[in-house]
Amino acid sequence: DTGVSQDPRHKITKRGQNVTFRCDPISEHNRLYWYRQTLGQGPEFLTYFQNEAQLEKSRLLSDRFSAERPKGSFSTLEIQRTEQGDSAMYLCASSQDSARFVEQYFGPGTRLTVT
Amino acid sequence: GENVEQHPSTLSVQEGDSAVIKCTYSDSASNYFPWYKQELGKRPQLIIDIRSNVGEKKDQRIAVTLNKTAKHFSLHITETQPEDSAVYFCAASLGDTGRRALTFGSGTRLQVQP
Repeated sequence: DTGVSQDPRHKITKRGQNVTFRCDPISEHNRLYWYRQTLGQGPEFLTYFQNEAQLEKSRLLSDRFSAERPKGSFSTLEIQRTEQGDSAMYLCASSQDSARFVEQYFGPGTRLTVT
Repeated sequence: GENVEQHPSTLSVQEGDSAVIKCTYSDSASNYFPWYKQELGKRPQLIIDIRSNVGEKKDQRIAVTLNKTAKHFSLHITETQPEDSAVYFCAASLGDTGRRALTFGSGTRLQVQP
């Protein structure tokens, strides 16, 4: 499968614990995006990278959230001191800069449940 | 920031009928408007998009129209089939390349009755 991959696919954690998710973009895609989707809603933008540079962060991204893409390939999203409101599907997407017009390709998501 | 409103939230049609989903956006600087289809338990997939220099775009049974003056855009699906059943999301983005953050609507659950 050469699409965007995410790991783990499911995560159950207790409130107050830290969690980390990983996203591997499509090979040679230099842009990587994180979105969050709650049940019955559309994805909400969190942040995105061009190579290793974090270019934009949503106001939704509180201090407890941090994302990295240290070598411009895979990315991690960490949530510290999880709260029940963090329960959601965390989607990663990637796109390639080489064309003028690009498409964001989504991964399967990591479903987080905070108990 | 950008705000995208989508309606209806649910839509049920008979196989072979047409379906129309409408979205409005708030930021006049938005110039890229993709539509994604999300089947149950699967990832969102782009089905069609339109940029602000175009008023209408068609791809087989699906078409999208854009009215920049009124800040609304619509998805039209003709000759619906049961496999069209899914949740459809509209989105808007600054610039016209698709590289920027997408702001999504809340989705329309389309059910095509055989």
